Amino acid sequence: NAGVMQNPRHLVRRRGQEARLRCSPMKGHSHVYWYRQLPEEGLKFMVYLQKENIIDESGMPKERFSAEFPKEGPSILRIQQVVRGDSAAYFCASSPGQGLPDTQYFGPGTRLTVL
Amino acid sequence: AQKITQTQPGMFVQEKEAVTLDCTYDTSDPSYGLFWYKQPSSGEMIFLIYQGSYDQQNATEGRYSLNFQKARKSANLVISASQLGDSAMYFCAMSSGSSNTGKLIFGQGTTLQVKP
Repeated sequence: NAGVMQNPRHLVRRRGQEARLRCSPMKGHSHVYWYRQLPEEGLKFMVYLQKENIIDESGMPKERFSAEFPKEGPSILRIQQVVRGDSAAYFCASSPGQGLPDTQYFGPGTRLTVL
Repeated sequence: AQKITQTQPGMFVQEKEAVTLDCTYDTSDPSYGLFWYKQPSSGEMIFLIYQGSYDQQNATEGRYSLNFQKARKSANLVISASQLGDSAMYFCAMSSGSSNTGKLIFGQGTTLQVKP
């Protein structure tokens, strides 16, 4: 049973470009979460999605960031017009969504560097 | 608001000895879950152990156990018989059982170094 897949593992962008981060959840998991980790810090929640629905985006910056989890295909975190402050590790996690404990299993992360 | 506090930025332990990593939490929810994750230098996040707020017994998973003291709002991780491969960053996290989102709130982490 494959784990959570994220790609790319490393992404370099220049200021003003777009970054697209992809996440394929574990088989059988219908809940996806995105977190951001700045250097030397813990993970911060960004957004929680189920198939075709955003459930909680309270941690998502209001501008330039968006997320989707289509009926078919991976979840996408999109950052438009990146700035240096967007440089971070972005982790995706998935869970089965079947009550407690709804343990989240993490992907390897995408390390975004903005030049 | 929910909050997780890990007061030990760094810890050292001798190989084969036990070590306790501290975690305190704050929540007004009666139902919640507590998690520990390990992040080695390679960067991935590895789930270690879970404790539910209504669980009567402390959780155990192999060499990992969770010392859950509900009245003190603490959920310390105990690693027995430390191994060199245990050197990593360890994060305590909490989720609310009574909201419609299972988002995790993470602490700042504790770096553990196991000495040979």
